[in-house]
Amino acid sequence: DVKVTQSSRYLVKRTGEKVFLECVQDMDHENMFWYRQDPGLGLRLIYFSYDVKMKEKGDIPEGYSVSREKKERFSLILESASTNQTSMYLCASSLLGGSDPNTGELFFGEGSRLTVL
Amino acid sequence: QKEVEQDPGPLSVPEGAIVSLNCTYSNSAFQYFMWYRQYSRKGPELLMYTYSSGNKEDGRFTAQVDKSSKYISLFIRDSQPSDSATYLCAMSERGSTLGRLYFGRGTQLTVWP
Repeated sequence: DVKVTQSSRYLVKRTGEKVFLECVQDMDHENMFWYRQDPGLGLRLIYFSYDVKMKEKGDIPEGYSVSREKKERFSLILESASTNQTSMYLCASSLLGGSDPNTGELFFGEGSRLTVL
Repeated sequence: QKEVEQDPGPLSVPEGAIVSLNCTYSNSAFQYFMWYRQYSRKGPELLMYTYSSGNKEDGRFTAQVDKSSKYISLFIRDSQPSDSATYLCAMSERGSTLGRLYFGRGTQLTVWP
């Protein structure tokens, strides 16, 4: 089974703190993604990466950065956390082209619920 | 206008009911259509996917795609309390190799005994 592991399920941080969210996948997937999920807004793509040291902005990259130094690990960084970044953060991975060509099936972690006070 | 529209509900039905969940979309380039299921405090998991138009059946679940109307549906027959979850539709363009999906907002479903 594909396993995507997010290091922290629940975090509470203060405004202005630097926050690291870590994600590791064990299936040698090329693609990795960070989404945030908010009630009424659904899943929104923050950043994604299709290779080591490569990154692409998603739909809402402002206030975030990412790092992918190893194929299996994709980190999301909040340089200076703000209250509007309180959310559920979901990491996902997929094979290049997906398990069925071009379906892009995503495998998700269980999420990291971040509260910024 | 979002590329993918989905009524967030919530939807509450009795056990055994037939459930219909729907999404509309605006991008005619979408070719792959998926439904993800997300249980409370868990990440989404792929439930079904369909390529282009047509129907696909898997047990109590049927996915339908009508590309002419830009409309997709998920039907759940004989619904069970264990089906209580949020259902998200997702779509991707033909030829996309990056796994970039476009999600609906999700519909929260509760099936009561």
